[in-house]
Amino acid sequence: RKEVEQDPGPFNVPEGATVAFNCTYSNSASQSFFWYRQDCRKEPKLLMSVYSSGNEDGRFTAQLNRASQYISLLIRDSKLSDSATYLCVVPTSGGSYIPTFGRGTSLIVHP
Amino acid sequence: ETGVTQTPRHLVMGMTNKKSLKCEQHLGHNAMYWYKQSAKKPLELMFVYNFKEQTENNSVPSRFSPECPNSSHLFLHLHTLQPEDSALYLCASRPTGQGNTEAFFGQGTRLTVV
Repeated sequence: RKEVEQDPGPFNVPEGATVAFNCTYSNSASQSFFWYRQDCRKEPKLLMSVYSSGNEDGRFTAQLNRASQYISLLIRDSKLSDSATYLCVVPTSGGSYIPTFGRGTSLIVHP
Repeated sequence: ETGVTQTPRHLVMGMTNKKSLKCEQHLGHNAMYWYKQSAKKPLELMFVYNFKEQTENNSVPSRFSPECPNSSHLFLHLHTLQPEDSALYLCASRPTGQGNTEAFFGQGTRLTVV
């Protein structure tokens, strides 16, 4: 099992739709989780952290399910500007704390 | 802007050239990372530095040579690259000793090897 797995998509949704992505991780000891957004040919940027109790920021909600080892990202009322690749990050730790990225899920929001 | 600056933003080099990528941050972060992102592939970790010491080398070929002279600067020296090394090279940094925090990325250097 890969350390961090995501469905690459693309998810093709109309404006105003609600869309959800999941990300599974293999390291049960992981303590922190993040969602990043990456626009085409740009660097990844932090979208939100994922807390044990869940985290909501406007139209975006992130949740953690430790028992099943996955995190989710829900986007409500999708905008055209939400079109991007969403990267799940689960830091691994051992000798070093290493942010480990999933391959990303592509979202395309169309009019 | 994340506070992590990479130069150059774009680089075209021949297979016999030697060039260096630079990453700079003045955020007080003590962990710095090099990642490679090839077209339609996930980010691949290359190197990790903690407090100027290299702590991870993810089986990177020796034609890539990192250098971290101080906590604010990270270099990636390139020598005798191959066309398949063409990719977006991303530097990231994060604070240490403050729990689990996110990484901040530079804008990347888009490298083309011809």
